[in-house]
Amino acid sequence: KQEVTQIPAALSVPEGENLVLNCSFTDSAIYNLQWFRQDPGKGLTSLLLIQSSQREQTSGRLNASLDKSSGRSTLYIAASQPGDSATYLCAVISRSGNKLTFGGGTRVLVKP
Amino acid sequence: GAGVSQTPSNKVTEKGKYVELRCDPISGHTALYWYRQSLGQGPEFLIYFQGTGAADDSGLPNDRFFAVRPEGSVSTLKIQRTERGDSAVYLCASSLTRDQPQHFGDGTRLSIL
Repeated sequence: KQEVTQIPAALSVPEGENLVLNCSFTDSAIYNLQWFRQDPGKGLTSLLLIQSSQREQTSGRLNASLDKSSGRSTLYIAASQPGDSATYLCAVISRSGNKLTFGGGTRVLVKP
Repeated sequence: GAGVSQTPSNKVTEKGKYVELRCDPISGHTALYWYRQSLGQGPEFLIYFQGTGAADDSGLPNDRFFAVRPEGSVSTLKIQRTERGDSAVYLCASSLTRDQPQHFGDGTRLSIL
């Protein structure tokens, strides 16, 4: 059974610092991995999707890497801003299925 | 292009009652998913539809939960004899294909008193 873990559960940084968010998964037979952002009381906003054949994806200040063999993904957010404060979730789709299996999220606070 | 729409946004009801939660996916998305999210946790999978049929219902916790998608578009999640433990945010997502991101609605916050 696939398990996804995100450590730390919460993170606080001063504005301008780079953010590094970690995600690990137990079964490397994944189809793809997706990073989401969730604001309080809201649904999930898709940030980046990495196919299993890819090593990384970039969008603006966001960069996500994938190391399937070690079961890890990292989301980097450059030059953090207070508006980046939110919960960040990673999720994987296994090679044999369609459902997303989520980690517990990392709650980020960027202080002005 | 509208996103995924879920109604109602909030639902408060008494233990033992029946509830229906509605999801209107992005137009043209054949895949539709229901997830449930408890406070401070990541969402957990409930059921996946491809078109009108439930392709994977392995996440439904018991037979009080049922979902339909009769015309391959709008879906309804139905919960019978609600219990306090059913309180959570119920999220719906849709996607075009497995290779494309799943897009989520804002969810229905269900509270069972």
